[in-house]
Amino acid sequence: NAGVMQNPRHLVRRRGQEARLRCSPMKGHSHVYWYRQLPEEGLKFMVYLQKENIIDESGMPKERFSAEFPKEGPSILRIQQVVRGDSAAYFCASSPRQARDTEAFFGQGTRLTVV
Amino acid sequence: KQEVTQIPAALSVPEGENLVLNCSFTDSAIYNLQWFRQDPGKGLTSLLLIQSSQREQTSGRLNASLDKSSGRSTLYIAASQPGDSATYLCAGSYGQNFVFGPGTRLSVLP
Repeated sequence: NAGVMQNPRHLVRRRGQEARLRCSPMKGHSHVYWYRQLPEEGLKFMVYLQKENIIDESGMPKERFSAEFPKEGPSILRIQQVVRGDSAAYFCASSPRQARDTEAFFGQGTRLTVV
Repeated sequence: KQEVTQIPAALSVPEGENLVLNCSFTDSAIYNLQWFRQDPGKGLTSLLLIQSSQREQTSGRLNASLDKSSGRSTLYIAASQPGDSATYLCAGSYGQNFVFGPGTRLSVLP
């Protein structure tokens, strides 16, 4: 049973381009969480999804950011028109049930650099 | 607002010492608390999960405790080794997601 898989591991984008970050949860996990870690800061919650549904996006910036978790395929975090301030490590976690009932497993992260 | 804090921010100890990392949370209505380890440039590795109904969990040289009434959790590392050097994060679950502390950066000197 492979762990949570994120790709790419490193992504470089020029200002104004789009960034697409992918997350494949562990087998049997239908709950996905995205977190952002800015340099020298802690992890900040962005969005929580179940299959085909966004459950909580209270941590997501209102503009340029979107997330999806389709019925088939990985969860995608999409950042449009990236700016330097978007440079960070983006982590995905998955769990088999709601966060309150279970352990979360994290991927290795995608490190986004905007130049 | 649900906040999680960790002290100290950084800790340096000689090899072989026992040590305690502290985690505090403002909202005691916590469902569970999880301790993670993060190595530089890497992802998070889950160490221990304590449900709100439990007082402690143990795994090898690690022991984590949870006291909801005081809003605290501690991670005890016995007989520390240089390989334990990493950042340790605690995260509380309040239902739909996990709220993370800023971490304690641990250095174990050989």
